Amino acid sequence: GDSVTQMEGPVTLSEEAFLTINCTYTATGYPSLFWYVQYPGEGLQLLLKATKADDKGSNKGFEATYRKETTSFHLEKGSVQVSDSAVYFCALSVRGNNRLAFGKGNQVVVIP
Amino acid sequence: NAGVTQTPKFQVLKTGQSMTLQCAQDMNHNSMYWYRQDPGMGLRLIYYSASEGTTDKGEVPNGYNVSRLNKREFSLRLESAAPSQTSVYFCASSLGLAADTQYFGPGTRLTVL
Repeated sequence: GDSVTQMEGPVTLSEEAFLTINCTYTATGYPSLFWYVQYPGEGLQLLLKATKADDKGSNKGFEATYRKETTSFHLEKGSVQVSDSAVYFCALSVRGNNRLAFGKGNQVVVIP
Repeated sequence: NAGVTQTPKFQVLKTGQSMTLQCAQDMNHNSMYWYRQDPGMGLRLIYYSASEGTTDKGEVPNGYNVSRLNKREFSLRLESAAPSQTSVYFCASSLGLAADTQYFGPGTRLTVL
């Protein structure tokens, strides 16, 4: 079935460091891809999305490019801040499928 | 514009008790969803409603029932709570189906003793 795989384990890094969170997917059809972010004590909110191959989603300094050839949608940010500390979820949906499939999430901790 | 609201925020139940989690959205969205979030498991879909008057099972529907009361409200009922249902429950809504952006409520933290 359709699924998303995120890299294992939390990510801890210093302020102003470069952040990468890997996401790969398995899907039939042509999925839309999403990154959601969950700040402590809150619900998820959309960070960015891409709906077709080679699209780049971007928001708040984060970017992710939809790579069909490698079935990936890696999240990157050039210089993280303490306020970026959160859990990040990769997700996909397939047109005609009535749900989002979420990855397990990555806890990101940014140290001053 | 409150977005998606959920009540209660916290609840403790004893095994076998029943309760209903309430969800409402004020964005005139057609689709609504109930998820549970467990450590290391990500989010898993319990039930969803593509439009008013329809509901469908998601990945983990056993032990739950839902009601789409009207376009705004979508409730989740636990008829006989079990410790395995200890989780954080999120309601979400979207204009159309899953390919559209989903907007999440703040969650309900449920503990079943």
